[in-house]
Amino acid sequence: AQKVTQAQTEISVVEKEDVTLDCVYETRDTTYYLFWYKQPPSGELVFLIRRNSFDEQNEISGRYSWNFQKSTSSFNFTITASQVVDSAVYFCALSEGQAGTALIFGKGTTLSVSS
Amino acid sequence: SAVISQKPSRDICQRGTSLTIQCQVDSQVTMMFWYRQQPGQSLTLIATANQGSEATYESGFVIDKFPISRPNLTFSTLTVSNMSPEDSSIYLCSVGANTEAFFGQGTRLTVV
Repeated sequence: AQKVTQAQTEISVVEKEDVTLDCVYETRDTTYYLFWYKQPPSGELVFLIRRNSFDEQNEISGRYSWNFQKSTSSFNFTITASQVVDSAVYFCALSEGQAGTALIFGKGTTLSVSS
Repeated sequence: SAVISQKPSRDICQRGTSLTIQCQVDSQVTMMFWYRQQPGQSLTLIATANQGSEATYESGFVIDKFPISRPNLTFSTLTVSNMSPEDSSIYLCSVGANTEAFFGQGTRLTVV
């Protein structure tokens, strides 16, 4: 059965610290997609990244980077030099099979960045 | 990309009443999804709505409580029936795409 585990419920850091949010997934499919979303206090879901199971290249986008490792079924998210505006709930999600199917979400990690 | 308009954005309802949430997409899509996010919790899939067929409900969700309509490829509604305070949640519709899953802004429902 498919499952997404975000073991860190809450993380608190001080501005400019680096922080890594962990995500471990379970699936029996060979084709799947992994996502990260940000949900600020306003409530909307902000798309951050999508990765398919055949692309293990790590990705960097500004202060954000993602480390996808199939060997450990992990898709971790690192924020470098965190800022107060990064404070939000971050969700990791999994979609199995063809693109466009429903997402299974982890429980989310609440990140608090203080100045 | 897809732009999703969801209405209402929020509502306060009396227990025992029903609320219908509308989801309009700016392009034709095969599948639409409805999620619930209870306070402080993650998103849980309620059902998948395909045009021209009955919605497929996830375990723990039933059609009598959450009837869904999908009259065409750009529109769907979710009704929360006979509401109780436990139904207070954010309800989101979503569509899939090749590069990301798109979400509406959500409907923040409070049942009093």
